[in-house]
Amino acid sequence: QQQVKQSPQSLIVQKGGISIINCAYENTAFDYFPWYQQFPGKGPALLIAIRPDVSEKKEGRFTISFNKSAKQFSLHIMDSQPGDSATYFCAASMGRDDKIIFGKGTRLHILP
Amino acid sequence: DGGITQSPKYLFRKEGQNVTLSCEQNLNHDAMYWYRQDPGQGLRLIYYSQIVNDFQKGDIAEGYSVSREKKESFPLTVTSAQKNPTAFYLCASSITSGWGDEQFFGPGTRLTVL
Repeated sequence: QQQVKQSPQSLIVQKGGISIINCAYENTAFDYFPWYQQFPGKGPALLIAIRPDVSEKKEGRFTISFNKSAKQFSLHIMDSQPGDSATYFCAASMGRDDKIIFGKGTRLHILP
Repeated sequence: DGGITQSPKYLFRKEGQNVTLSCEQNLNHDAMYWYRQDPGQGLRLIYYSQIVNDFQKGDIAEGYSVSREKKESFPLTVTSAQKNPTAFYLCASSITSGWGDEQFFGPGTRLTVL
C-alpha cells in the first residue's frame, strides 16, 4: 500500500530521443507526486512535481503525465541530452503531514 | 551561499565503532531529515525533525541516533548496533514540516565500515 514502484531500473537513450520513466502506486490517498534528479556523488534535487487534480505538467523538456484511474504517473524527457544522464526518483506523499515515499530509482544514460 | 553541508564526504570506520555524520543548513528551514541510500533501494528515511529539540523515527531508525539542539544542525550517529552501516547517507531540509514542501538535499556522506 505504501510502495511506489518505479521502472525501468536502468535506461539507455540516444541523444535527442525521448526518455520515459514510469511509476505506479496503490494508495489512492497519495496527493503529491514529485520527481527528483540525482547526479553521481550528489544529493537529489527536486525536478518537477504534480498533484492529482491535473493530468499533465510540463516544465521545459520535462513532462509529468498522471493517470489517476490507473494509479500511474510517468516522467517524459524530450530531446534527451547527455547532461540529463542521472538517477531519477519518483515519489509520493499524502498531504502535508505524511512522509515522502520514494521509488527505487532509474539510472538514465543518454548516449552522445 | 545558502544550502546544506554534510561532512565528511567520505568516512571510513572499523566495525564496532560509533560514528557521527554532520549536517548543517543555513536556509532557516524548520524541518530536517536523514535518509540512507543503497544501490537499487531508493531513499529510506532514518529520522526526521520538524522543530528544534524534537525528532521522530523513520522507517529504519534501529542502530541510529540523532539530536536537534540547534535549528541549523541535525547530526546523525551510526552506532555499533547498526548491522549493515556501509551506505550513502543524505541529509535534507524543508522550509516547514509539511511533507509536501520541497526537500533540499545535501551532497551526502559515503560511510564505509571495514
